[in-house]
Amino acid sequence: EPEVTQTPSHQVTQMGQEVILRCVPISNHLYFYWYRQILGQKVEFLVSFYNNEISEKSEIFDDQFSVERPDGSNFTLKIRSTKLEDSAMYFCASILDIASYEQYFGPGTRLTVT
Amino acid sequence: DQQVKQNSPSLSVQEGRISILNCDYTNSMFDYFLWYKKYPAEGPTFLISISSIKDKNEDGRFTVFLNKSAKHLSLHIVPSQPGDSAVYFCAANGRGSTLGRLYFGRGTQLTVWP
Repeated sequence: EPEVTQTPSHQVTQMGQEVILRCVPISNHLYFYWYRQILGQKVEFLVSFYNNEISEKSEIFDDQFSVERPDGSNFTLKIRSTKLEDSAMYFCASILDIASYEQYFGPGTRLTVT
Repeated sequence: DQQVKQNSPSLSVQEGRISILNCDYTNSMFDYFLWYKKYPAEGPTFLISISSIKDKNEDGRFTVFLNKSAKHLSLHIVPSQPGDSAVYFCAANGRGSTLGRLYFGRGTQLTVWP
């Protein structure tokens, strides 16, 4: 069964450093998302992406964040200057089309900022 | 932002009995609801969903009930099995939100004991 993959599974970085989290959505899916979950809290929406553009972003997704689909298969989330409070699990998700409500999630990347 | 609430952080049920997980929402724009199951170190996995035009959806051992007037939904698992032990997230989506952004509750940890 097709699945969303994410790399790395765990990323440790120092405060102020840039990180890039990578995702490979299911191949024929068209809509992509990033969510995050801070330990002990709920899963929160960051951004949605379609047709090489951001469709919607939350208040969390400030100028330090960016997303890109560089090569038609990867979908990346970049944090330019990480902060301690960016430590969280980051989940990528995708859906086939807007008529499909069920989002398929990847296994997540645990980001630890020290 | 508590548009989706799961007020029980944990639930413990004996194997073979019914598990009932509850979820409340506040936003009348929500028109589609989903339940996800999450094991440690994995991403959320879609379990079952329901449209606001229905009040019940069943899939094997899993049934979701929706009470729109009360803005309440519940997930019933019958019979419960030890493999069902996981965190269950309620999520909601509304047509007022572009491209299917999901709003999640905080989750309920279900433990099924033999």
